[in-house]
Amino acid sequence: SYVLTQPPSVSVAPGKAARITCGGNNIGSKRVHWYQQKPGQAPVLVISYDSDRPSGIPERFSGSNSGNTATLTISRVEAGDEADYYCQVWTSITDLPIFGGGTELTVL
Amino acid sequence: QVQLVQSGAEIKKPGASVKVSCKASGYIFTGYYIHWFRQAPGQGLEWMGWINPNSGGTKYAQNFQGRVTMTRDTSISTAYMELSRLTTDDTAVCYCARVLAAPSAFDIWGQGTMVTVSS
Repeated sequence: SYVLTQPPSVSVAPGKAARITCGGNNIGSKRVHWYQQKPGQAPVLVISYDSDRPSGIPERFSGSNSGNTATLTISRVEAGDEADYYCQVWTSITDLPIFGGGTELTVL
Repeated sequence: QVQLVQSGAEIKKPGASVKVSCKASGYIFTGYYIHWFRQAPGQGLEWMGWINPNSGGTKYAQNFQGRVTMTRDTSISTAYMELSRLTTDDTAVCYCARVLAAPSAFDIWGQGTMVTVSS
């Protein structure tokens, strides 16, 4: 089965850029979605189709996808960006959703 | 506005069943699939299955086959997820989320329902 691999944690100083990766075999051929989940809250879609920002998501959030790695980049990180971030794709044949294990973003 | 509102927290004993509801508003209920996920304390998201509100068709994750049933009532734009033969390992927050179809994103999520299984 298809596996998405994320680093368990990423730390970044306020004002700097955070990069969260999502590894998968030839993930560049898939469409990747990213979700933000703050403690005690439901996930929120922050990037869809590799790099599209839904309405209401700050421009500081961007995404890219190529080869075996998709990346969520948060520029000028703020304390309010502290959350768990999950990447998600769909399996090719059975059309089932697959999520990465999640990355905890800590703002130092 | 577009939203999914779930039923309240549940406390169940081992061996019991739980039924969680997910009421849609602000959009055409039958136009989007409803998927169910759960998240155990401190863990990631686990997919449970989906229901097509238009046809009533379902697909369940292998881990839940035989224990989960997803239904819907189109007259009140509500989807349901029932999980039976609960054990303490089923203690988790359950979420519903809507999606147009693969490979779209889950753009709207319910607020979550805490299911606690304890003797």
